[in-house]
Amino acid sequence: SAVISQKPSRDICQRGTSLTIQCQVDSQVTMMFWYRQQPGQSLTLIATANQGSEATYESGFVIDKFPISRPNLTFSTLTVSNMSPEDSSIYLCSVAPWRLAGITTDTQYFGPGTRLTVL
Amino acid sequence: DAKTTQPNSMESNEEEPVHLPCNHSTISGTDYIHWYRQLPSQGPEYVIHGLTSNVNNRMASLAIAEDRKSSTLILHRATLRDAAVYYCIPHPGPGGSEKLVFGKGTKLTVNP
Repeated sequence: SAVISQKPSRDICQRGTSLTIQCQVDSQVTMMFWYRQQPGQSLTLIATANQGSEATYESGFVIDKFPISRPNLTFSTLTVSNMSPEDSSIYLCSVAPWRLAGITTDTQYFGPGTRLTVL
Repeated sequence: DAKTTQPNSMESNEEEPVHLPCNHSTISGTDYIHWYRQLPSQGPEYVIHGLTSNVNNRMASLAIAEDRKSSTLILHRATLRDAAVYYCIPHPGPGGSEKLVFGKGTKLTVNP
C-alpha cells in the first residue's frame, strides 16, 4: 500500500487568489493523479502528473488554471489559480504504484483530500 | 470509457448482508471491474476487483455475471463503518490507462 498526505487539509480563500496543494507519498510511484470533487458530486479527474514532463489534462481542465508540478517520484503540487466560488471543492491526489518493480497491485490509493472554500 | 449504472442509494441493517449491483453492459473484454468506496470526509479506498471469476477478500466478495455485463459487490455482514458511497469502475488494469473514471456510485446507509 501507499500512504499519502495532503497539505493543507482545508483552506478558505478569497476570489482572485491562488492556492497550491501539496501531495506527498511515502514511497516512489510512477503515476500520480489529481481529482476534484464538487459538493455532493462524484470525483472528476483533472490531470495526470507525469514525472519529468508536463501534466496531461482531461477535457475541460487547462494548465493555466490548474498548473501541476511533479519534481520527483514522491511529490506533486496542484495550484488552483485565480479562484472563484465555483472552484470550491475537495481536491484529491491519488497514486498508482503498480508499475514499479516488485509491485503487482493495480489499485489506486487516495489522499485524504483538501477542502477548499472560495469566498 | 464503459458506462456504469448503479442505484443512487441503498439501505441495510447492521449485521445483515448487502448486495450492491452494478450494470456495465458496454465493458470491454479486457477491462477489470473495480470497486472503490468513499467513507464520509475521506478519499476513496479500494475494495475489490475481478475480471471473470468471483473474488473474495477480507472486505467483501465480488460476483461477476457470466456475460460480464453486471456485477454485485457483497458485504456479508454490514457494519456502521460500511456506510459509504460505493463506486463500480471498469478499468483496463496493468498495461492500459491507469486513470479511474468515477460514476455517481451508490450511497449505502447502514441502520443500527
